[in-house]
Amino acid sequence: KAGVTQTPRYLIKTRGQQVTLSCSPISGHRSVSWYQQTPGQGLQFLFEYFSETQRNKGNFPGRFSGRQFSNSRSEMNVSTLELGDSALYLCASSPRAGANTGELFFGEGSRLTVL
Amino acid sequence: GIQVEQSPPDLILQEGANSTLRCNFSDSVNNLQWFHQNPWGQLINLFYIPSGTKQNGRLSATTVATERYSLLYISSSQTTDSGVYFCAVSGSRLTFGEGTQLTVNP
Repeated sequence: KAGVTQTPRYLIKTRGQQVTLSCSPISGHRSVSWYQQTPGQGLQFLFEYFSETQRNKGNFPGRFSGRQFSNSRSEMNVSTLELGDSALYLCASSPRAGANTGELFFGEGSRLTVL
Repeated sequence: GIQVEQSPPDLILQEGANSTLRCNFSDSVNNLQWFHQNPWGQLINLFYIPSGTKQNGRLSATTVATERYSLLYISSSQTTDSGVYFCAVSGSRLTFGEGTQLTVNP
């Protein structure tokens, strides 16, 4: 059974550009959530999608957005990149959403560097 | 929101030693997971343990939900156990602790 797949694994952008990251969940999982990891802030929740609907959102500015497709694949977009957006972006999938989500499984992450 | 505290923040061991990592949380939870972050950044699932005790080889974990803490035990540590261990709680919106940086020296 394939795991959670994130693309691209590494990317470099410059300030002001935008970036789109992709996440394919484990087959059969319908919930996808995104996390940002930085040395200063640790691991922080960005948002969660289930059945193409955003179910939950963390405390991030509107420059951070996402969506989920009918096949459960998800994308997140960051517009007008800032230096502080440099981070490891992790995607997790689970079979359900909400309080009883069950075990979450993470992808290898997308490491974004903003110059 | 819920607070998660992990201790100790750093731990240095000699190969073969045993260790206990602790995770305290501020409210009742319905999901608690332990992860090991590998050098490439991926979070590897160790245990999904909202309550009770589980064992997997040299690793075991216990969560006492009523007292709001969880423990991760590593026995006979190996150099490959080095890395950061995270505890995360709650539903699909996981709240992570700051992690324990474990270094196992040969």
